[in-house]
Amino acid sequence: AQKITQTQPGMFVQEKEAVTLDCTYDTSDPSYGLFWYKQPSSGEMIFLIYQGSYDQQNATEGRYSLNFQKARKSANLVISASQLGDSAMYFCAMRELSNQAGTALIFGKGTTLSVSS
Amino acid sequence: DVKVTQSSRYLVKRTGEKVFLECVQDMDHENMFWYRQDPGLGLRLIYFSYDVKMKEKGDIPEGYSVSREKKERFSLILESASTNQTSMYLCASTGTGITGELFFGEGSRLTVL
Repeated sequence: AQKITQTQPGMFVQEKEAVTLDCTYDTSDPSYGLFWYKQPSSGEMIFLIYQGSYDQQNATEGRYSLNFQKARKSANLVISASQLGDSAMYFCAMRELSNQAGTALIFGKGTTLSVSS
Repeated sequence: DVKVTQSSRYLVKRTGEKVFLECVQDMDHENMFWYRQDPGLGLRLIYFSYDVKMKEKGDIPEGYSVSREKKERFSLILESASTNQTSMYLCASTGTGITGELFFGEGSRLTVL
């Protein structure tokens, strides 16, 4: 079974609009971390935002916020006021902290975001 | 500026060749990783290392081996390259910070003919 599911292969949005990229996860580990990365066409992986399983508040970093719904096991990325430079592949990832491989991240298949003017 | 450096951005090899992909990090990180990225499949973990000379298999270790003789260097080895190993290979490292995010190299695009 997939541990990280990103159901949207592609998303399209107009500049200045907000967009939500979906991510659901599956774990029985009570202690875990959730990450979002951005990969532009140039290929580098850029860390965007982190949410710990015990964090009481949703994480925010500038225009990025993470809508964390623990009971639903979802960790959606919200980008406010989209810009042309936001066009990229976005990956959701999880670290299970009690896992023997606890430092590795498990990635979803990604969502391609296209922002138009 | 912290960095993870992969030795080759693009490689073209023939079936059966031995291939070395080198990765060096300058952040004194304990943990290093090799992922493979394929369209529609996301990133999949091949191997990781949590200390010098220590290695653990990830989700898809078959056909690969790794070496970590020094803390800063983690090598991925394809003993006998096959066409189904044509892919983008990403090296990453992480320390013990609060979030423990992975720092990635620029990737090595390998084509096996």
